[in-house]
Amino acid sequence: SQQGEEDPQALSIQEGENATMNCSYKTSINNLQWYRQNSGRGLVHLILIRSNEREKHSGRLRVTLDTSKKSSSLLITASRAADTASYFCATDEVQGAQKLVFGQGTRLTINP
Amino acid sequence: SQTIHQWPATLVQPVGSPLSLECTVEGTSNPNLYWYRQAAGRGLQLLFYSIGIDQISSEVPQNLSASRPQDRQFILSSKKLLLSDSGFYLCAWSINTGELFFGEGSRLTVL
Repeated sequence: SQQGEEDPQALSIQEGENATMNCSYKTSINNLQWYRQNSGRGLVHLILIRSNEREKHSGRLRVTLDTSKKSSSLLITASRAADTASYFCATDEVQGAQKLVFGQGTRLTINP
Repeated sequence: SQTIHQWPATLVQPVGSPLSLECTVEGTSNPNLYWYRQAAGRGLQLLFYSIGIDQISSEVPQNLSASRPQDRQFILSSKKLLLSDSGFYLCAWSINTGELFFGEGSRLTVL
């Protein structure tokens, strides 16, 4: 069954603007991860945030985690055309026996 | 460095034919291995995962099976394909449920 639900399903912004994507999940987790997928390709890991962390940065990426609300957000600052891709959150459930469950993804389009 | 190879990249098969997708990981030992399926424009559905040889878990009842004949080899099979088996199949590996490393995927079209 799907655990994470991303919001919005699609997002289109102008180059240079910030893009924010949200993810909600249902059960207790060990960690939450964000992945990127270019069309027709495999997924690439972006960032992992553990359940005892509230915020994490990597370059132009900022991830927050609110375990009380069971939600996370991914912020991409100063977006570039090359950021156009689908973005997925994935959760490592506490009782999940070493497996990641992915959401449906957000399709991000950066317009030049 | 670790690498993951997945093949074939594309496959067109008739309904009722068999299927074999292969995935091999290099540069690591005893990885966790995964098969996911992605329908067009959708998220990933976990099909099988394996934490060791002869330890394969199936997530959903379906027309597919998985095997792990060697530590770093994971095979997805079907005896008779259905139209609904069409999709983008992704193999991935991890160590202790850290980040997943994905292959480039196999696009299967069943006609």
